[in-house]
Amino acid sequence: GAGVSQSPSNKVTEKGKDVELRCDPISGHTALYWYRQSLGQGLEFLIYFQGNSAPDKSGLPSDRFSAERTGGSVSTLTIQRTQQEDSAVYLCASRKRGAGGSGNTIYFGEGSWLTVV
Amino acid sequence: GNSVTQMEGPVTLSEEAFLTINCTYTATGYPSLFWYVQYPGEGLQLLLKATKADDKGSNKGFEATYRKETTSFHLEKGSVQVSDSAVYFCALSVGGGGTSYGKLTFGQGTILTVHP
Repeated sequence: GAGVSQSPSNKVTEKGKDVELRCDPISGHTALYWYRQSLGQGLEFLIYFQGNSAPDKSGLPSDRFSAERTGGSVSTLTIQRTQQEDSAVYLCASRKRGAGGSGNTIYFGEGSWLTVV
Repeated sequence: GNSVTQMEGPVTLSEEAFLTINCTYTATGYPSLFWYVQYPGEGLQLLLKATKADDKGSNKGFEATYRKETTSFHLEKGSVQVSDSAVYFCALSVGGGGTSYGKLTFGQGTILTVHP
């Protein structure tokens, strides 16, 4: 597609429920990243995919968070047993290639705004 | 590790004023440097970038020069407009075969408000 597409754009969920957030990266981009943007925490890296594998999961805050990527394209971020502190904007981004060439631009989607009540 | 420090905001200016937003960094390896902008209600957009020392990135009247000696990448604009009101993020990326995988490390963001 023309840009990074994320869905849903807004999600309100009850504490304890599971949520899935979807990211469709720019066609042909092999690298995919998830970030979280919350008040007081700025932009935090969560996980990086190169193709379907995730060599860097270091930013996932707890084992309630997981992500997968299939077909080298769409990625899903899953949060189990949501807590109020999970409320944030979850941003997906993609890049043309992974390791090597740090100057390649990373393009962001508009984010999924998650509110846990 | 890698880190980015931005000047604290918010910054409030009158239209046509000069803008500087300071950004300094620490990095393992040789980073590329970026400024991203987030307009109200919109996603993050790349504003400009520089990939090596002394490079100047520029876009929409904004400029930033990669200063390796001072580890800085300050954002400047000579005459701001109301439409420049947004949140500005300085960021770095270290690629190559290490563990950084080209991922971005962001500063905390600086809120800019420009009044007519």
